[in-house]
Amino acid sequence: DGGITQSPKYLFRKEGQNVTLSCEQNLNHDAMYWYRQDPGQGLRLIYYSQIVNDFQKGDIAEGYSVSREKKESFPLTVTSAQKNPTAFYLCASTEIGSNQPQHFGDGTRLSIL
Amino acid sequence: AQSVAQPEDQVNVAEGNPLTVKCTYSVSGNPYLFWYVQYPNRGLQFLLKYITGDNLVKGSYGFEAEFNKSQTSFHLKKPSALVSDSALYFCAVRDRGYGQNFVFGPGTRLSVLP
Repeated sequence: DGGITQSPKYLFRKEGQNVTLSCEQNLNHDAMYWYRQDPGQGLRLIYYSQIVNDFQKGDIAEGYSVSREKKESFPLTVTSAQKNPTAFYLCASTEIGSNQPQHFGDGTRLSIL
Repeated sequence: AQSVAQPEDQVNVAEGNPLTVKCTYSVSGNPYLFWYVQYPNRGLQFLLKYITGDNLVKGSYGFEAEFNKSQTSFHLKKPSALVSDSALYFCAVRDRGYGQNFVFGPGTRLSVLP
């Protein structure tokens, strides 16, 4: 079955440490997205990419970085510059220029040690 | 700028009763409209979408949504609620055209009481 796989499901970060969240899709989608969700709140866009080797900042990109070296992969790095990284991180993908919804992974929950 | 409002943070309904979760939007043109559901510690699951045509859209798990262009609303409905419908519901819009991103509402928590 096609879908989006996020790993790990739970991640702990120490002070001053960078951590990388994985997102892989086998849906052949061009567009991929990273969202942050805080408890009881909606989704906030961190970064998105519509094509390999290109990505754009979303509303809350500071303290985060991404890469898009392959169509199926869109990893997110939470850097030490992100002072409040504790949140639920969701990856999504969709077809560009279509009426299709986004498909979501099952998220990574990041906490500070 | 595009925006999506879900005016109720929380909706409580008794099992077996009809439910409505409200959504209004503010976008230019004719957007695509979506509803998603999120269970605890899971990603968002697609329920249904409005593209064009019939204003009443049917989706997964017995849900349906009514599109009203004059009121710019897209309310989610179900004739008979189940306890298992308790979850967080998100309304979203997507502009027509190449490369347009999604705008999500803040979410509404639905509690179905037995």
